[in-house]
Amino acid sequence: EIVLTQSPDFQSVTPKEKVTITCRASQSIGRSLHWYQQKPDQSPKLLIKSASQSFSGVPSRFSGSGSGTDFTLTINSLEAEDAATYYCQQSSSLPLTFGQGTRLEIK
Amino acid sequence: EVQLVESGGVVVQPGGSLRLSCAASGFTFDDYTMHWVRQTPGKGLEWVSLINWNGGETYYVDSVKGRFTISRDNSKNSLYLQMDSLTIEDTALYYCVRDKGGSYYDYWGQGTLVTVSS
Repeated sequence: EIVLTQSPDFQSVTPKEKVTITCRASQSIGRSLHWYQQKPDQSPKLLIKSASQSFSGVPSRFSGSGSGTDFTLTINSLEAEDAATYYCQQSSSLPLTFGQGTRLEIK
Repeated sequence: EVQLVESGGVVVQPGGSLRLSCAASGFTFDDYTMHWVRQTPGKGLEWVSLINWNGGETYYVDSVKGRFTISRDNSKNSLYLQMDSLTIEDTALYYCVRDKGGSYYDYWGQGTLVTVSS
């Protein structure tokens, strides 16, 4: 099983700040890494697919990068509505697995 | 508009059984592989099972193999999860999700809550 480890677990940030969340895989997964945003009491929403491809309708301040074992989700110029928990997910091999999540709090 | 609506979640005793359903609409259901994903406060998001477009291929996470069965009825645009021999560790919010084509999910239902408790 491929284990995904996100860092940090929690971050408190101010609006307009740049945020970087990392996701490290326990073995190489190519670019089979995807990012989701989950707001309180909502289902997760797809942000980034295949490491760096923005999903339709996602604001341009969200971007992804990386390959192999190390991946990054970047949020440029954070907005209050970005308060959420962010998860990475790998689709390289079964079982499909998720990171433990990174909770962003907006100050 | 794509919609996935789960149902069937209830409180059940350990060792009991349950069948979850997911009604899909707004897209050609039999064009897509479908999955069940569950979420708990303690373990976060966990993939449970997937089924390909015609039901010919199914896969499960090890913790539910032999206990859960995924199925679909394309004539009814519906996805199912038969859950047997339930344990406390199966307590979770269960989501029906659509596979975009690379085993990632572009649409999620609102979830149905399964609570296993005596």
